[in-house]
Amino acid sequence: QVQLQQSGPGLVKPSQSLLLTCTISGDSVTSNVVAWSWIRQSPSRGLEWLGTTYYRSKWYHDYAESVEGRISVNTDASKNEFYLYLNGLTPDDTAVYFCAASITGGMLILNFWGQGTQVTVSS
Amino acid sequence: EIVLTQSPATLSSSPGERVTLFCRASQSVSNNYLAWYQQKPGQAPRLLISGASSRATGIPDRFSGSGSGTDFTLTISRLEPEDFAVYYCQQYGNSPLTFGPGTKLDIK
Repeated sequence: QVQLQQSGPGLVKPSQSLLLTCTISGDSVTSNVVAWSWIRQSPSRGLEWLGTTYYRSKWYHDYAESVEGRISVNTDASKNEFYLYLNGLTPDDTAVYFCAASITGGMLILNFWGQGTQVTVSS
Repeated sequence: EIVLTQSPATLSSSPGERVTLFCRASQSVSNNYLAWYQQKPGQAPRLLISGASSRATGIPDRFSGSGSGTDFTLTISRLEPEDFAVYYCQQYGNSPLTFGPGTKLDIK
């Protein structure tokens, strides 16, 4: 069973960047059958998929158009972690951010979730 | 992008009753790749159903999903007190994956 533990700041100033960490236990970030995603949730946007990364002999990345150009999802195999980097933050980025794991090969069924991190963008 | 709408927005019911929640897609969901999640306050969503009708591991059989194409349903046959929560549908057949706005199931 995959378990995901999130960490990162709760308050970020406008125009600054956000780095969230998702630490994985129960599987490997380099697994060839798992995909790793970030989703956020806010009252105005609901649940919104942000991006996914997965390893299939090489790394692949897929990002939502709404944050394209501002987002990067990366990994560190030595720490068994993956990360969300989002720059150019505005108050509209205020949300609860979740990491999630899809263990069903190429299908983005979000089988396991982190606990969520409330991120507030405010000066 | 596939837009998902859910109805009703809020449903009031009592323990022991049977309820059906609806999810409609703006276009056909490929391979009926439609999932349902349950979310309680302060928690992450929990996967209930994938592939429109397959229960996730550990999900009680009072939860069932059905549907195809653009119209899907989640039925809870006999409500338990712990079932009162918000329910979301999600399609993963077309990129980008998208979620519905949710149905809040509360106690009458």
